[in-house]
Amino acid sequence: NAGVTQTPKFQVLKTGQSMTLQCAQDMNHEYMSWYRQDPGMGLRLIHYSVGAGITDQGEVPNGYNVSRSTTEDFPLRLLSAAPSQTSVYFCASSQLRNQPQHFGDGTRLSIL
Amino acid sequence: GIQVEQSPPDLILQEGANSTLRCNFSDSVNNLQWFHQNPWGQLINLFYIPSGTKQNGRLSATTVATERYSLLYISSSQTTDSGVYFCAVTGRSGGSNYKLTFGKGTLLTVNP
Repeated sequence: NAGVTQTPKFQVLKTGQSMTLQCAQDMNHEYMSWYRQDPGMGLRLIHYSVGAGITDQGEVPNGYNVSRSTTEDFPLRLLSAAPSQTSVYFCASSQLRNQPQHFGDGTRLSIL
Repeated sequence: GIQVEQSPPDLILQEGANSTLRCNFSDSVNNLQWFHQNPWGQLINLFYIPSGTKQNGRLSATTVATERYSLLYISSSQTTDSGVYFCAVTGRSGGSNYKLTFGKGTLLTVNP
């Protein structure tokens, strides 16, 4: 039982490049979400999903895209990377939306 | 949206001391969780506690939902307790009831 797995752990991009951050969970959780963590800002919700085929925007969705084709996977796409998207990204899951959240180990992303 | 304020922002303790961390929130909540982010950046769920009191070893938490605050108690602190402690809530009303909102955290340093 691996919990929530995020890949890659580290990534450096150039401005304008696109990439996908991967998130997978093996706990059959319905609710999954993506956060970014910036110094002094805490964690802010980017997008979330309450089940396969259902996604919605969080607090800071601009510049990011998500899809949820399976219960297990919830990838986060950066469409055209900008330096303001330099951050640590966390994926989380829970059985239902108001249940304890389990976090992955994060992806540290730098955009030059 | 719902506001979450944590205090103190920073706390330095000697090993063996006790401490209390506070989380105030601006609206009724369905969900309140305490997390510990260790020095390696991992986020660990400590408590799911929308109301009442829970204990887990040297840690305990109390949420008084009617007065909109929660307290995290750490007794006999150890150096491994160092890190950032986050409080996160989901509001009851409107569009905030799917979104976990984090406070900015309390940075705890426990010195040997």
